[in-house]
Amino acid sequence: DADVTQTPRNRITKTGKRIMLECSQTKGHDRMYWYRQDPGLGLRLIYYSFDVKDINKGEISDGYSVSRQAQAKFSLSLESAIPNQTALYFCATSDLHSGAPFRELFFGEGSRLTVL
Amino acid sequence: SQKIEQNSEALNIQEGKTATLTCNYTNYSPAYLQWYRQDPGRGPVFLLLIRENEKEKRKERLKVTFDTTLKQSLFHITASQPADSATYLCAPSNNAGNMLTFGGGTRLMVKP
Repeated sequence: DADVTQTPRNRITKTGKRIMLECSQTKGHDRMYWYRQDPGLGLRLIYYSFDVKDINKGEISDGYSVSRQAQAKFSLSLESAIPNQTALYFCATSDLHSGAPFRELFFGEGSRLTVL
Repeated sequence: SQKIEQNSEALNIQEGKTATLTCNYTNYSPAYLQWYRQDPGRGPVFLLLIRENEKEKRKERLKVTFDTTLKQSLFHITASQPADSATYLCAPSNNAGNMLTFGGGTRLMVKP
């Protein structure tokens, strides 16, 4: 089984619908992240969480919200989806206790979202 | 604003040759830089990290250099193989909070 699991892997929805992307991890890491990937634009950080009580906005948080339900679970919500939120979304984790500043990210397989 | 540039055009090389990918950054003073590999439809996978006080880092057929004067990192794959075909992403970071910022990636195609 994958260490970082994202559901759903693919989703097609309509403008205005509420969408939730879920991420769970079995790596025991404290830190979790949500990134968005668009062709040619690389990965852009949406939100990140350093522990259950710590949530922070990334560079493109508008239109998104997150919930850290437990150390192992971090979900991303689009309250009212719009077409320019069509993208590939990645969840990632990193280990707080690995030697700073060496904190490689471990990514899930991605969730492809299409908003019509 | 901070900017990370990787060649958006695909790099096509013949099997056995050395592939060299470039990562340039501006308005940035990263303390370290990571390189990731991404296969189509998959999440990125960490390859190497190099610190600002390191000129060069090697791992098997991979070599990374980091020139803080030129604000550039080079990623080399020697004796390239078709299995090396993928997109390679660079990610500099200038803090210990692990807020990695990624470049757009360069697609490498190794032809047999």
